[in-house]
Amino acid sequence: DGGITQSPKYLFRKEGQNVTLSCEQNLNHDAMYWYRQDPGQGLRLIYYSQIVNDFQKGDIAEGYSVSREKKESFPLTVTSAQKNPTAFYLCASSIVPAASGGGQETQYFGPGTRLLVL
Amino acid sequence: RKEVEQDPGPFNVPEGATVAFNCTYSNSASQSFFWYRQDCRKEPKLLMSVYSSGNEDGRFTAQLNRASQYISLLIRDSKLSDSATYLCVVNVYGQNFVFGPGTRLSVLP
Repeated sequence: DGGITQSPKYLFRKEGQNVTLSCEQNLNHDAMYWYRQDPGQGLRLIYYSQIVNDFQKGDIAEGYSVSREKKESFPLTVTSAQKNPTAFYLCASSIVPAASGGGQETQYFGPGTRLLVL
Repeated sequence: RKEVEQDPGPFNVPEGATVAFNCTYSNSASQSFFWYRQDCRKEPKLLMSVYSSGNEDGRFTAQLNRASQYISLLIRDSKLSDSATYLCVVNVYGQNFVFGPGTRLSVLP
């Protein structure tokens, strides 16, 4: 069964703590993305990666970090520098990067992780 | 002006009604357009891509008007299961997806 998995489903963070959200895909997609969704708002791009060992900041990268050591995996770390981390975090992947166009840039999403601050 | 704007909603309609969602985008260089559906507390799922000539998938019809920078989604004979938030998504060549804030639909029995 091909797809994108995210874990955990719920995550609680204490003040000053770094936490890491997992995202794995077995779709053989080159591009992966992390978005943040706050209630009543659209998705905002945190980081994206078009290829292994390469990633770029999105619109709201401050307080977050990522790595892309394997094609299948794109973990997101929410650092203590992120002062308002409570949100729904969504990972997505696409065959080719969104910037490529051409019809294969459609993004598919994982089930998401809800991060709450204690 | 926001890059992608949608009807604020929510829309509450009876079963069997026809409902239309509107979306406008500000960047005239936009070239790919999509409608996603997001159920409460779930991830967005692709509903349909939007093509220049317009496209239809069963009860769903998407239209694109490049001159007016406007996208629409029409749902005919709405079902209870259509209740969700509908997200308009726009892509500019060389950039990343831009998501609208979504319009929530509740189909009532």
